[in-house]
Amino acid sequence: GAGVSQSPSNKVTEKGKDVELRCDPISGHTALYWYRQRLGQGLEFLIYFQGNSAPDKSGLPSDRFSAERTGESVSTLTIQRTQQEDSAVYLCASSFSQGSNQPQHFGDGTRLSIL
Amino acid sequence: GQQVMQIPQYQHVQEGEDFTTYCNSSTTLSNIQWYKQRPGGHPVFLIQLVKSGEVKKQKRLTFQFGEAKKNSSLHITATQTTDVGTYFCAGNGGATNKLIFGTGTLLAVQP
Repeated sequence: GAGVSQSPSNKVTEKGKDVELRCDPISGHTALYWYRQRLGQGLEFLIYFQGNSAPDKSGLPSDRFSAERTGESVSTLTIQRTQQEDSAVYLCASSFSQGSNQPQHFGDGTRLSIL
Repeated sequence: GQQVMQIPQYQHVQEGEDFTTYCNSSTTLSNIQWYKQRPGGHPVFLIQLVKSGEVKKQKRLTFQFGEAKKNSSLHITATQTTDVGTYFCAGNGGATNKLIFGTGTLLAVQP
């Protein structure tokens, strides 16, 4: 497929468990973004990977959240010791290059539910 | 930090009526992008404006970038039920390269 792929599409887990979300960006896209979207709310920026530069982690809400990206490929967002307020849709987007003048292409998201 | 607000938060119209959403930034923007998110879907890029005072049209949609590059608007003429969704603006006016998304406007269209 040519689009951004995210897995799993849905994740239900118990409070306190760790979860790992995966994002496969469009091939050739050097920039990758993670957002959180709570029900009926806007997009909350989490982290931004830009090529080989250090990622912009300024949006991560706590030290329970971390993300990695290998080169210009797959990224994983990890949430440790999940809390109920972590329940949301986690969206990944990629763009052709770094810079805010590039359109972002979004995946379908992972819907995370913490029981 | 930079903030991007949209008004209204929600708008309900009858099919055939016009609709406008306004986007306002706390800082001057280098560019503005607009996205549409259908219910249950993900945001989809619509358009980008770069120049001060720029106006672009896509069929029934008209996008405008303010002269001061701190605000933008999206106007839909004669809404259709397919226009339902949340419209987000996004811009960058800060020192980093990341886009800041607006708060969004949810459009409901009654047939």
